[in-house]
Amino acid sequence: DAKTTQPPSMDCAEGRAANLPCNHSTISGNEYVYWYRQIHSQGPQYIIHGLKNNETNEMASLIITEDRKSSTLILPHATLRDTAVYYCIVRTTFYNQGGKLIFGQGTELSVKP
Amino acid sequence: EPEVTQTPSHQVTQMGQEVILRCVPISNHLYFYWYRQILGQKVEFLVSFYNNEISEKSEIFDDQFSVERPDGSNFTLKIRSTKLEDSAMYFCASILDRGQETQYFGPGTRLLVL
Repeated sequence: DAKTTQPPSMDCAEGRAANLPCNHSTISGNEYVYWYRQIHSQGPQYIIHGLKNNETNEMASLIITEDRKSSTLILPHATLRDTAVYYCIVRTTFYNQGGKLIFGQGTELSVKP
Repeated sequence: EPEVTQTPSHQVTQMGQEVILRCVPISNHLYFYWYRQILGQKVEFLVSFYNNEISEKSEIFDDQFSVERPDGSNFTLKIRSTKLEDSAMYFCASILDRGQETQYFGPGTRLLVL
């Protein structure tokens, strides 16, 4: 699986958009970008995933660059409860990998009042 | 919303003792996983399980570890003879099926080996 690079930490003001970058310059054509988060030692929580098109759901938006070498997770109106470690994971589909997730160190997002 | 549950939430044991960590995956999910997270470190994959057998295991998952789905609802991780370095959070996860690849994680069991 392609390696990802994320900043170790970021701050965001409550109510503002949080933009979390992820670099995955060695991504291959059949690899998806997944985002999970972990709130203070709780179990990781799925946020969103995409292949090449931008995606949006009730939690966040995922913007993938045209060359797919980087992506940005956007939390449109961050709240204090969004304080967590955010993981960007690049992986192929289940058929090639069996479903396991390989976590990096992630970005620790602190949302401040 | 259905969720993965894990028991106990905390477990303290003496080195060399056996522990069994229990998980109830979301019903009708078919693929099950165990991960661990040593304090301050990354979440690490341990093992995946499907159709009553191990699909894949990591280097961490040595002969001291075993998994079982004894009754069609519970999914257990057994550590036969615990070591100090087994102290960690253990997370269970499940997915519905191939092609439905969102993994749902449980809240974890914090294991402390003394």
